[in-house]
Amino acid sequence: AQRVTQPEKLLSVFKGAPVELKCNYSYSGSPELFWYVQYSRQRLQLLLRHISRESIKGFTADLNKGETSFHLKKPFAQEEDSAMYYCAPHSGGGADGLTFGKGTHLIIQP
Amino acid sequence: KAGVTQTPRYLIKTRGQQVTLSCSPISGHRSVSWYQQTPGQGLQFLFEYFSETQRNKGNFPGRFSGRQFSNSRSEMNVSTLELGDSALYLCASSTLGQNYGYTFGSGTRLTVV
Repeated sequence: AQRVTQPEKLLSVFKGAPVELKCNYSYSGSPELFWYVQYSRQRLQLLLRHISRESIKGFTADLNKGETSFHLKKPFAQEEDSAMYYCAPHSGGGADGLTFGKGTHLIIQP
Repeated sequence: KAGVTQTPRYLIKTRGQQVTLSCSPISGHRSVSWYQQTPGQGLQFLFEYFSETQRNKGNFPGRFSGRQFSNSRSEMNVSTLELGDSALYLCASSTLGQNYGYTFGSGTRLTVV
């Protein structure tokens, strides 16, 4: 079965410190990988996708196929980064749609 | 352009009743998927529709069903409601290529009493 693991339910770091949100996946085939974010009282929204190799709001995500990981990183955390972050592989033609991890609640302390 | 619109925003139903939730995707998006979000289970995939056809289905009982209309609007129906069906139901739309990601609505908060 497809599985996504985000090992930290809660991650608290100080403003200006580096942030790494971990994601490991167990997936058949070659899924496309996404990170979604949900700020307080806002809807779930796409943060970034692996295929774009993009940096959004200072975040990047590195795909390691050998370790089947897709960790989200930011060198200097800002208070507005506080939110729930979800890792989500998608297999396109598979039966799972987007498979979300349980999410990591990131808190940036001033 | 308008985002994904879900109606109603809130619903309170009694056990045993049925409920229909509606989702209007972003104009031009033909794929619509539904998710259930609960504190205990997180986000779980219900089903996905494309061009009025169900493409994928998650691991939910047959009480959960959906459909998509020719204008890409989608509805999901839950029959014989149970207390455990209380959740936030999210709809998401996408273009044909999943690589572009999904755009989510604000959800419908269903409470079963």
